[in-house]
Amino acid sequence: NAGVTQTPKFQVLKTGQSMTLQCAQDMNHNSMYWYRQDPGMGLRLIYYSASEGTTDKGEVPNGYNVSRLNKREFSLRLESAAPSQTSVYFCASSERLDTQYFGPGTRLTVL
Amino acid sequence: GESVGLHLPTLSVQEGDNSIINCAYSNSASDYFIWYKQESGKGPQFIIDIRSNMDKRQGQRVTVLLNKTVKHLSLQIAATQPGDSAVYFCAERGGTSYGKLTFGQGTILTVHP
Repeated sequence: NAGVTQTPKFQVLKTGQSMTLQCAQDMNHNSMYWYRQDPGMGLRLIYYSASEGTTDKGEVPNGYNVSRLNKREFSLRLESAAPSQTSVYFCASSERLDTQYFGPGTRLTVL
Repeated sequence: GESVGLHLPTLSVQEGDNSIINCAYSNSASDYFIWYKQESGKGPQFIIDIRSNMDKRQGQRVTVLLNKTVKHLSLQIAATQPGDSAVYFCAERGGTSYGKLTFGQGTILTVHP
């Protein structure tokens, strides 16, 4: 039981490049989330998926898109990366409104 | 918007001491609160949670206290150990925000041997 896994662990992009961050959970949770964590800013919600087939914007959705591929997987896409998107990205999952469990994070640098 | 904040950004204690980490919240409709621990280079790890119909909840070496009157939350760690050194976040869920948590900025706890 791996919990929440994320790939890649590290990524460096140039401004304007695109990439997709992958997240998978094996806890059969209905809800999944994407956060970014910046120094002094805590965790901020980018997008979430309350259940398979639904996605909604969080606090900071601009510049991102998401896909809930199936119940296990929730991906985050940066279509045209900007330096302001340099951050650590965390995926989380939960059984409806209960505790969210986090993955190990993806450290993204945009040059 | 509503936010959750911490009074103390850093806390240093000696091994064996008790630690208290505080958190203020502003959304009176919040019905669920969680404390997370985050070690360097890792994702947040669940420690303990409490619902708004409770004032206190205890776990292994940890206790969370909730004072809804003053919108204050605290995490008490008994007999703090070097392995407890980490950043601690409180998070709250507003009563109408489906599953969405609002996180505080975090408190850095350093435990000296």
